[in-house]
Amino acid sequence: NAGVMQNPRHLVRRRGQEARLRCSPMKGHSHVYWYRQLPEEGLKFMVYLQKENIIDESGMPKERFSAEFPKEGPSILRIQQVVRGDSAAYFCASSPQGGQGHEQYFGPGTRLTVT
Amino acid sequence: GDSVTQMEGPVTLSEEAFLTINCTYTATGYPSLFWYVQYPGEGLQLLLKATKADDKGSNKGFEATYRKETTSFHLEKGSVQVSDSAVYFCALSDQGDMRFGAGTRLTVKP
Repeated sequence: NAGVMQNPRHLVRRRGQEARLRCSPMKGHSHVYWYRQLPEEGLKFMVYLQKENIIDESGMPKERFSAEFPKEGPSILRIQQVVRGDSAAYFCASSPQGGQGHEQYFGPGTRLTVT
Repeated sequence: GDSVTQMEGPVTLSEEAFLTINCTYTATGYPSLFWYVQYPGEGLQLLLKATKADDKGSNKGFEATYRKETTSFHLEKGSVQVSDSAVYFCALSDQGDMRFGAGTRLTVKP
C-alpha cells in the first residue's frame, strides 16, 4: 500500500528554466494539496485540487506557478521561468476526503534548487 | 484568516526530560487540530489529532488536548528520547486546507 509519491526527489534548474514536480496520491485519495517549505520555515499552503478541479489556489503566486490534477495520472506543479527565490522543498499531500477533520498524508517532497 | 502560532525553537533537552511545545490558534469556525513531525530529509508524518473541544490526541507517548477556552493545543511528552529529535508542526484544518505553524526544532541529547 504505497504512500504519497513525489518525483523527482531533487531537481536542479537554472534561472529561466521550467520545473515540473509530480505527485501521485495514495490509492483511493482524490484530494491533493501542495505546500512550499523554505529553509528553516514552516509549510505554506499553495493549492488544493480534486480530480480535474482546482478547489483553492489562494496560496499560489499569481504568475509563473500553475497546478493540475488530471483525470488520469499524477498531479503536476509547474513553475515557469524559475528564479532563485523558488528554491525550496515542495510537499504534496493527499486525503481521501476534503473538508476539515481529515488528516493529510504527505509525500517525501521535492527539493528544488535554482542556480 | 485562520492561523497557528507555536513556540519558537530550537528546544534542547536531555533524555528523559519533560517536553512541552506550545501551540495556539486563531480560527473563525471549529477547526480540527493536528501535530505533525518531520524527521531530517523527510516529509511530514501525522503524530496526533483532535477534532473537537476537550478531545485528547495521543500517540507514541505524546499528548495534546484541544482547549477551546484558551484556543490552545500544546504538545507534551513525559520522557523524551534521542529518537524524538525532529521538527514538530502544529496545524489546523477548518475548511479543508491546512494551516501550519512555523515549526519547533527539538534536539534531545543523551
